Amino acid sequence: EDKVVQSPLSLVVHEGDTVTLNCSYEVTNFRSLLWYKQEKKAPTFLFMLTSSGIEKKSGRLSSILDKKELFSILNITATQTGDSAIYLCAAEYNNNDMRFGAGTRLTVKP
Amino acid sequence: SAVISQKPSRDICQRGTSLTIQCQVDSQVTMMFWYRQQPGQSLTLIATANQGSEATYESGFVIDKFPISRPNLTFSTLTVSNMSPEDSSIYLCSVENSIGQVRYFGAGTRLSVL
Repeated sequence: EDKVVQSPLSLVVHEGDTVTLNCSYEVTNFRSLLWYKQEKKAPTFLFMLTSSGIEKKSGRLSSILDKKELFSILNITATQTGDSAIYLCAAEYNNNDMRFGAGTRLTVKP
Repeated sequence: SAVISQKPSRDICQRGTSLTIQCQVDSQVTMMFWYRQQPGQSLTLIATANQGSEATYESGFVIDKFPISRPNLTFSTLTVSNMSPEDSSIYLCSVENSIGQVRYFGAGTRLSVL
């Protein structure tokens, strides 16, 4: 069965901390791994990863994919209260299928 | 990325009634997707809506409960029919970018059924 598993499910940190969010996947004919940030209702796109070992970076956020071990991580450095959100990863596979993980709820305290 | 307008943004409905959610995109897109996110859970695909053909529903979702229209390449509607409290969720419209790699989401509709 195709699945995407995220860990931890929730995380509470203080401003300035660095966090690592994990996403593992088991899907057939994997194509890409995507990360989204969901603050209220709409998930907003962060990264798409297709190749192993190539880091994608945007400001304090970065992500990398390991296609051999079937996982990806999302790092956030120097966290701010505005980083508080649910972070979703999704695996795109087969022709056009996409499966989302349950998400990691990150809370950044002042 | 496409600009996706979804309305209503939220609604409170009575059991047994129906609600139609609209999704408007600022550019033509081939495929549009409707997702549901129940409280505390992740996104679940309801159906894929292609212009000019019937929507393709995922396992567990049926057309009688969630009829979808796709009259053109920029617009779609999802109706939640004969609602019950279990239908209380966020409903999200989504489209893919031009090369079909990234899905972008509308602002979502938060539905509460009493």
